[in-house]
Amino acid sequence: QKEVEQNSGPLSVPEGAIASLNCTYSDRGSQSFFWYRQYSGKSPELIMSIYSNGDKEDGRFTAQLNKASQYVSLLIRDSQPSDSATYLCAGASGGSYIPTFGRGTSLIVHP
Amino acid sequence: GAGVSQSPSNKVTEKGKDVELRCDPISGHTALYWYRQSLGQGLEFLIYFQGNSAPDKSGLPSDRFSAERTGGSVSTLTIQRTQQEDSAVYLCASSLAGLDIQYFGAGTRLSVL
Repeated sequence: QKEVEQNSGPLSVPEGAIASLNCTYSDRGSQSFFWYRQYSGKSPELIMSIYSNGDKEDGRFTAQLNKASQYVSLLIRDSQPSDSATYLCAGASGGSYIPTFGRGTSLIVHP
Repeated sequence: GAGVSQSPSNKVTEKGKDVELRCDPISGHTALYWYRQSLGQGLEFLIYFQGNSAPDKSGLPSDRFSAERTGGSVSTLTIQRTQQEDSAVYLCASSLAGLDIQYFGAGTRLSVL
């Protein structure tokens, strides 16, 4: 069974710090990975997608993928209170069009 | 352009009644997904439509759940004889093609009394 694991948190960081969110996956065939942000009571919205090993940067966000170790991470630099949300990690394999979502990590950025 | 639209936003029903939830995907998106999210839980996959292909129904929790997608666009998720455990937020997402970025609707919050 394909699984995506995330620490539920909450992860609490001070404003301005780097928040590091991690995700591991069981399916070695997974090729596409996504990070979604979900504010309380709202629907998920895409933050980053990553398909190749290494780092991908977009503004304050950096996604890191290590297929050999089967983990994906999201770094948020200069964290802001507005970043406080649940972050969902998802992975999809080439043989399936159905991504597997983790349960999400709750991030709290305190002033 | 418009995003994914879901209706109703909230639905309160009595146990045993049937409900229909609607999803209007982004124009041109061929892939459509339904998910269920219970309070404090992750996303539970329900069903996937891709173009005119037969849907992947592998996530439907019971035969009380069904969905259709007419004309490759609007989709309806039907829950028959609702039970209290069906209470959740039902989310619809669409993407340009399978394995592409998914765009989510605002969801329908279903409460079964």
